[in-house]
Amino acid sequence: EAEVAQSPRYKITEKSQAVAFWCDPISGHATLYWYRQILGQGPELLVQFQDESVVDDSQLPKDRFSAERLKGVDSTLKIQPAELGDSAMYLCASSLGRLAGYNEQFFGPGTRLTVL
Amino acid sequence: QQPVQSPQAVILREGEDAVINCSSSKALYSVHWYRQKHGEAPVFLMILLKGGEQKGHDKISASFNEKKQQSSLYLTASQLSYSGTYFCGTAYNNNDMRFGAGTRLTVKP
Repeated sequence: EAEVAQSPRYKITEKSQAVAFWCDPISGHATLYWYRQILGQGPELLVQFQDESVVDDSQLPKDRFSAERLKGVDSTLKIQPAELGDSAMYLCASSLGRLAGYNEQFFGPGTRLTVL
Repeated sequence: QQPVQSPQAVILREGEDAVINCSSSKALYSVHWYRQKHGEAPVFLMILLKGGEQKGHDKISASFNEKKQQSSLYLTASQLSYSGTYFCGTAYNNNDMRFGAGTRLTVKP
């Protein structure tokens, strides 16, 4: 069964360092999402791509976070510099269709980030 | 805008029923339900769209009251495997979906 792949699974870094997370969606999925989930809370959308284009990054802290999906396939989320408050689970999801309100999302296992 | 879920947590015995609610202050295009087990990624359960279309598991039961901007997820004859955190997501148009804070369900033997 096809799955969303993410790496690394765990990342420990010191504040002010740069970190990067990678996501490979299910093959053929047009839409890719990055979420941040703080323990005990729901996933918070950071950025949504349709193919290689950003369609929603209204919640992305753009002074320190960046995301790209250059060829419309895999994607990288970067934080520079990392802050203590960035400690969270970073989830990647993908969907076959292009409309978030109409399509189910398939989530990857996530990257657990700890900032010391 | 984030939907409001209730209750925040519920504890059941195997075989008991539960209802989880999701409400919005704005008119909805669709409501999405996901379950997340501890330490795992969320898993899709169902989408309910305005107009009555539903997509998802046949064994999951949910309702969508468009006039009240509310949805309810019905868990009947609960099993241990139902334990986890249930998230609803609400979309106000066809391309903007946000998750609620979740309802933690614990099913005990």
